[in-house]
Amino acid sequence: SQQGEEDPQALSIQEGENATMNCSYKTSINNLQWYRQNSGRGLVHLILIRSNEREKHSGRLRVTLDTSKKSSSLLITASRAADTASYFCATEGSGNTPLVFGKGTRLSVIA
Amino acid sequence: EAGVAQSPRYKIIEKRQSVAFWCNPISGHATLYWYQQILGQGPKLLIQFQNNGVVDDSQLPKDRFSAERLKGVDSTLKIQPAKLEDSAVYLCASSLRWNGNTIYFGEGSWLTVV
Repeated sequence: SQQGEEDPQALSIQEGENATMNCSYKTSINNLQWYRQNSGRGLVHLILIRSNEREKHSGRLRVTLDTSKKSSSLLITASRAADTASYFCATEGSGNTPLVFGKGTRLSVIA
Repeated sequence: EAGVAQSPRYKIIEKRQSVAFWCNPISGHATLYWYQQILGQGPKLLIQFQNNGVVDDSQLPKDRFSAERLKGVDSTLKIQPAKLEDSAVYLCASSLRWNGNTIYFGEGSWLTVV
């Protein structure tokens, strides 16, 4: 299975701190994506990183990808209470296999 | 740009009853997905359409679940008969094409089977 496994399962930090979430997967991928889900809502796409990329930035988000270790990390800098949500990584495998989601990391940012 | 629309938002049914969920994807999106998300877990793909053809339905419990995409636009997901373990959020999503693209999700349809 190429399902991503997020780590930690839950994370609680103070507002202003940085939050780091990790994702590991098992097979080769075309790309890896991070999504955010607020409680009771649908998922929102945050960032897509292709297998030939090592790092991408979007605002306060920084994503890295290490294909040799089959892992990715999502860093949220200067966190805000509004960042409280579940964060999921999803992998798209080679050969047009569908996107597969991990179980997510629940982030709580305390004001 | 209008997002992915889903209805109903909430549904409570008794086991062995049937239920149907409707999805209208973003205009122009060729690929449509139905995901099942059980509380505390990540979404699991049930079925993926490219226009009105099925690309992947390997995880769809075909003895009780069915889905169709009429004219390559709207889609309906049906469960009949429902089981207790079908209690979940059913998320519809769409993308421009089927890989390497951002997937846009609807707000989901929450199903409780009692």
